Amino acid sequence: DAGVTQSPTHLIKTRGQQVTLRCSPKSGHDTVSWYQQALGQGPQFIFQYYEEEERQRGNFPDRFSGHQFPNYSSELNVNALLLGDSALYLCASSLLQDSGGRNTEAFFGQGTRLTVV
Amino acid sequence: GIQVEQSPPDLILQEGANSTLRCNFSDSVNNLQWFHQNPWGQLINLFYIPSGTKQNGRLSATTVATERYSLLYISSSQTTDSGVYFCAVGKGGGFKTIFGAGTRLFVKA
Repeated sequence: DAGVTQSPTHLIKTRGQQVTLRCSPKSGHDTVSWYQQALGQGPQFIFQYYEEEERQRGNFPDRFSGHQFPNYSSELNVNALLLGDSALYLCASSLLQDSGGRNTEAFFGQGTRLTVV
Repeated sequence: GIQVEQSPPDLILQEGANSTLRCNFSDSVNNLQWFHQNPWGQLINLFYIPSGTKQNGRLSATTVATERYSLLYISSSQTTDSGVYFCAVGKGGGFKTIFGAGTRLFVKA
């Protein structure tokens, strides 16, 4: 089991550009969530995808968008990059719920470190 | 939204010492996890513990959901335990995770 994989691991972009980050969930998982972690802070929830739909969204502008594919993999897109978008972007996968209707354990990828210059 | 507070924010230990990290949350949750973030940013799962007590080697955790707190115990600490420990909680369907600000642990040799 490869676990959650993210690509690329590092990325440098210029202000105003657009970026796409990718995530492959753990085998058997159907839900992907994205987080932004600024230096010295805890991860902040961006949004969650299930059945190719955005189910929940955190307090992030529309410049942040995503997509989930039929194989459950996901992309995070950020348009019109700002210097403040520099952060570690983390992807987590989980099952939406187990057979008892409970939330399940989430597993994180190694992250993509984005630097905007 | 749910507020998650972790304490202490910073902790320095001598190798071999024991410690207790605390996580308080402001509303009922049905999901709680503890993570250790290594220097490369990887979040490593320690415990999935919405309630009750679990142990894994030198680590154990207890969540008292009715009183809205969770504790992570580290015994006989080692230098490799250094890093940031996060508590994360979820409420409702799916897993919209709210993270605390973390406890930064440094274990001295």
